[in-house]
Amino acid sequence: IAGITQAPTSQILAAGRRMTLRCTQDMRHNAMYWYRQDLGLGLRLIHYSNTAGTTGKGEVPDGYSVSRANTDDFPLTLASAVPSQTSVYFCASSQQVSSYNEQFFGPGTRLTVL
Amino acid sequence: ELKVEQNPLFLSMQEEKNYTIYCNYSTTSDRLYWYRQDPGKSLESLFVLLSNGAVKQEGRLMASLDTKARLSTLHITAAVHDLSATYFCAVLTSGTYKYIFGTGTRLKVLA
Repeated sequence: IAGITQAPTSQILAAGRRMTLRCTQDMRHNAMYWYRQDLGLGLRLIHYSNTAGTTGKGEVPDGYSVSRANTDDFPLTLASAVPSQTSVYFCASSQQVSSYNEQFFGPGTRLTVL
Repeated sequence: ELKVEQNPLFLSMQEEKNYTIYCNYSTTSDRLYWYRQDPGKSLESLFVLLSNGAVKQEGRLMASLDTKARLSTLHITAAVHDLSATYFCAVLTSGTYKYIFGTGTRLKVLA
C-alpha cells in the first residue's frame, strides 16, 4: 500500500441500511479526516482525528460516526443511510507535527443512497 | 464562523491567456493550501503557503498569500489545455487541525 486507500470505490445503498466506508493510510500520519464533496459545495469536513484514540466533529457530522482505534485506520459509519448522504466521500491524512501540515487524499468513495 | 470564498466559480479561458483565481478567508489562519482536482479524481496538492508574502511557482501556476488582507491568489500564465481542472483553496484554522475548503473554481481552457 502506498498512501491512502479507500473502500469501496463505489456503492449503491438502500435508505435505512448501515454502511461503513473504510480508509487506511501507511504514512504514519497522526491526523486523519473525512470529507464529503457535493456539487457546488466544495469539500465539507465530517469528522477528524488528531491522533489515535481521539476524534472530533467537523462541519457536517450528523448521521455519521467515526473511530480511530489505531494510527492507520479511520472508518466512517452511516448508521442509517438517507438519500441526502449521497455524495463522494474523501478520506485524507496529514502529519500535524510538520510545518506544512499538508493533507493527502484518498481516491474517494462514490456513495448513492436510494 | 470561518468562511473561505473563491472567485470566480467558473472560468473559461483561451489558451495563452493569463488569469487569476482569488481566495478570501474570514479569520486568522496558519496555513493556506491550493489543490487541483481532475474530473472524477481525487485532490492533488499544488502549493502550501506558510507566511505572509509567501509566493510559490510551479510551471504556469503561481500562488501568493497576503495574510493581512486574508487573500490568496492563484495566477495562471499562458494557459494550456492541460490546466483544465477544478482548483480549491483551503485554510487551516489557527489552533486546530481543521481545514476549511473553498467551493472551488472550475477552470476550462479552450484550445
